[in-house]
Amino acid sequence: DQQVKQNSPSLSVQEGRISILNCDYTNSMFDYFLWYKKYPAEGPTFLISISSIKDKNEDGRFTVFLNKSAKHLSLHIVPSQPGDSAVYFCAASAGGSNYKLTFGKGTLLTVNP
Amino acid sequence: ETGVTQTPRHLVMGMTNKKSLKCEQHLGHNAMYWYKQSAKKPLELMFVYNFKEQTENNSVPSRFSPECPNSSHLFLHLHTLQPEDSALYLCASSQITLAGGNRQETQYFGPGTRLLVL
Repeated sequence: DQQVKQNSPSLSVQEGRISILNCDYTNSMFDYFLWYKKYPAEGPTFLISISSIKDKNEDGRFTVFLNKSAKHLSLHIVPSQPGDSAVYFCAASAGGSNYKLTFGKGTLLTVNP
Repeated sequence: ETGVTQTPRHLVMGMTNKKSLKCEQHLGHNAMYWYKQSAKKPLELMFVYNFKEQTENNSVPSRFSPECPNSSHLFLHLHTLQPEDSALYLCASSQITLAGGNRQETQYFGPGTRLLVL
């Protein structure tokens, strides 16, 4: 059973518009969430994270929103650029001494010029 | 030197071969990880090493054998693999800290080794 779900395998947006990538989770013990970006033939690159004590974290064009009651987080990219085209992975971890990340399957974002 | 490096980048091996994947991190981190990414599946954690001690073995078959000689190097020894083991194997590292009561587990990944088992 997948504990982190990215229900949209792909998303296509126009350059300059907003990209919204969604992620749902089922494990209420998760308290730290991350977004990674992956280009072909490269490893995932850390993008932005959020702790469960916050509901928003912003870094430049990237903003992550966390809705704990809905067990939902989203990544907003604005304005979207063609270089943002990549696979985006949502990941989560739970408290305690076990620091493992649980990943979603990823969403392929295509930003069209 | 880039943060996390992996060699080789591509590997083709037969089911009777023995090979090793190597990972090196230049970030001064205290934890290292092996992940497997199969087609159309999420990244699956295989092993975690924290301060060179293995703290997680995620039900990985014994044909995969990790080794962490120091905090900067991590190996994955492969023997008698099966074709279904063909995947992208990713190494990652992190600095496990407590910052202001919030844990920081951001993991930094290497480029991966694309493995094909024939």
